[in-house]
Amino acid sequence: SAVISQKPSRDICQRGTSLTIQCQVDSQVTMMFWYRQQPGQSLTLIATANQGSEATYESGFVIDKFPISRPNLTFSTLTVSNMSPEDSSIYLCSVNRNTEAFFGQGTRLTVV
Amino acid sequence: GENVEQHPSTLSVQEGDSAVIKCTYSDSASNYFPWYKQELGKRPQLIIDIRSNVGEKKDQRIAVTLNKTAKHFSLHITETQPEDSAVYFCAANRYSGGGADGLTFGKGTHLIIQP
Repeated sequence: SAVISQKPSRDICQRGTSLTIQCQVDSQVTMMFWYRQQPGQSLTLIATANQGSEATYESGFVIDKFPISRPNLTFSTLTVSNMSPEDSSIYLCSVNRNTEAFFGQGTRLTVV
Repeated sequence: GENVEQHPSTLSVQEGDSAVIKCTYSDSASNYFPWYKQELGKRPQLIIDIRSNVGEKKDQRIAVTLNKTAKHFSLHITETQPEDSAVYFCAANRYSGGGADGLTFGKGTHLIIQP
């Protein structure tokens, strides 16, 4: 298994501000993934973060809105920029061990 | 890119009966198909998975079947219990020696076990 610590666990933010979510893994991994889960919906992949290179974003997600850092093989951050109420979601980081994906506990973001 | 369709969106069964959830995928390069269970307020947890070189896999009351030709895979839960009530997600991705891609998830099935 993988131990993933994600913080904050929840936050309430004003529109127009930014929030940075941190994800720490208990051992080195090549790729880290960031997902969004809107209320009552499924998980959608935002981007894949590789250490030492720019993140790869999925269709519909852009770096200016969701900048990602990956300074080392155990840590990544996702920033939600210039937030609007539509950004209210749960954001989860994830890593793979062999084929299995493990998830952090998620960050529940509410934008008011 | 990959597209995963999941049905039904809600499934209500009597305790002790079986439940079946079906998914289809679009990308023939996908070779790994996990199923996740998510309880309210919790993170998704893997319950079973199958690789494309296998047609069926079983783990106690849970089984998954895969039809590569038709690009279908299904989750079967037998002898359902109240604790099986949750949202279930199917997913697909490609896995190779270099690692696995991110997952594409179905929209989820809310399974309700009626006592």
